[in-house]
Amino acid sequence: EIVLTQSPGTLSLSPGERATLSCRASQSVSSTYFAWYQHKPGQAPRLLIYGVSSRATGIPDRFSGSGSGTDFTLTVNRMEPEDFAVYYCQQYGSPPLTFGGGTKVEIK
Amino acid sequence: EVQLVESGGGLVQPGGSLRLSCAASGFTFSTYVMNWVRQAPGKGLEWVSYIDTSSTTIYYSDSVKGRFTVSRDNAKNSLFLQMNTLRDEDTAVYYCARDFGRQAPYWYFDLWGRGTLVTVSS
Repeated sequence: EIVLTQSPGTLSLSPGERATLSCRASQSVSSTYFAWYQHKPGQAPRLLIYGVSSRATGIPDRFSGSGSGTDFTLTVNRMEPEDFAVYYCQQYGSPPLTFGGGTKVEIK
Repeated sequence: EVQLVESGGGLVQPGGSLRLSCAASGFTFSTYVMNWVRQAPGKGLEWVSYIDTSSTTIYYSDSVKGRFTVSRDNAKNSLFLQMNTLRDEDTAVYYCARDFGRQAPYWYFDLWGRGTLVTVSS
């Protein structure tokens, strides 16, 4: 199974700053089968990005995804107060689908 | 409102059983394949099980295969997870998650519930 390692574990930022989250796969992810989710405590996880770089319905354009092979990045331009949360990456190119351990983005 | 609501979690002893439910509303449940995903305390997300629209194709993670059974009732817009022979390591918040695709899986999930907590402890 493909192991996804997210870094950093915690990212401390101020509103208005850019967030850059990384996800490294233990082996190459097939095609563009990569997604990102946002999760706030007590809430349902929310799909942000699929197909490496496609934004899900209703996701603001300050969220963008990029990458290929084993290295993927989620960028949030100009963090808004509602963006502070935990973010998870997911690969679905090789079964079983797997998720990363998460990056917590907290207010500095 | 389009939503998924899980229920049925609780405290159970090792070796015990529990049945989780997920009630879907606001969309045509019968046309979507569904999944269960869990999150153990302090850990990341872990895919658990998949079921297609007609309950014909079902998959499980190796960690639950032979102990958990997924099912659905399209007439009642409901998804279920029967969990038997529970272990300490099954302690987690369990989420039901709708696949992005209809009829066939895309394997990423565009609608999740808030989850239900299962605690396995003596």
